[in-house]
Amino acid sequence: GAGVSQSPSNKVTEKGKDVELRCDPISGHTALYWYRQRLGQGLEFLIYFQGNSAPDKSGLPSDRFSAERTGESVSTLTIQRTQQEDSAVYLCASSLSIGGRAYEQYFGPGTRLTVT
Amino acid sequence: SQQGEEDPQALSIQEGENATMNCSYKTSINNLQWYRQNSGRGLVHLILIRSNEREKHSGRLRVTLDTSKKSSSLLITASRAADTASYFCATGGSYNTDKLIFGTGTRLQVFP
Repeated sequence: GAGVSQSPSNKVTEKGKDVELRCDPISGHTALYWYRQRLGQGLEFLIYFQGNSAPDKSGLPSDRFSAERTGESVSTLTIQRTQQEDSAVYLCASSLSIGGRAYEQYFGPGTRLTVT
Repeated sequence: SQQGEEDPQALSIQEGENATMNCSYKTSINNLQWYRQNSGRGLVHLILIRSNEREKHSGRLRVTLDTSKKSSSLLITASRAADTASYFCATGGSYNTDKLIFGTGTRLQVFP
């Protein structure tokens, strides 16, 4: 079946503009995660969805960042008034989540965001 | 913030040799996972080991976990040029949120 997909694959935007990044998780995966990866670095956790609710938003770096998920499926990550330090690859992942047991996360190809 | 630190940061070996990467972390965990990342295929899950397990195997991969030392190792046996990639450990901390905290990664180069 299809894996996790993200769009756009690349986004170049001017400082101060808003951007929306989209994630389509694997069908049936109730858990969805957003991470950010700066060049040459590991992944930073941003936000976690269980169904349509977000029990953990602790990684969002500022109030310019927000995310939502609808229909236990698609999620969008919105960055308002982008800054140059927002430039990174934004990765989405999904996984099963049953009874608190941990499962592997399946990652999308990412959206490379460049803020000029 | 990043929980894990991989050691070494970079590793270069010849095909056929074994590669060992280590990961240390700071807080209690529920599970630890290893991922591989290369430019061609993105981030791929390799193996998950739970906190009550000590060793796990998958093909040429062997992972150990020592919760008393808060450390894990990934061994790749009989390496191949296709194993060239960055390898990350990631820890999962609780039942209420399954987020992973990633380490800084080890860049492995396997020469043919």
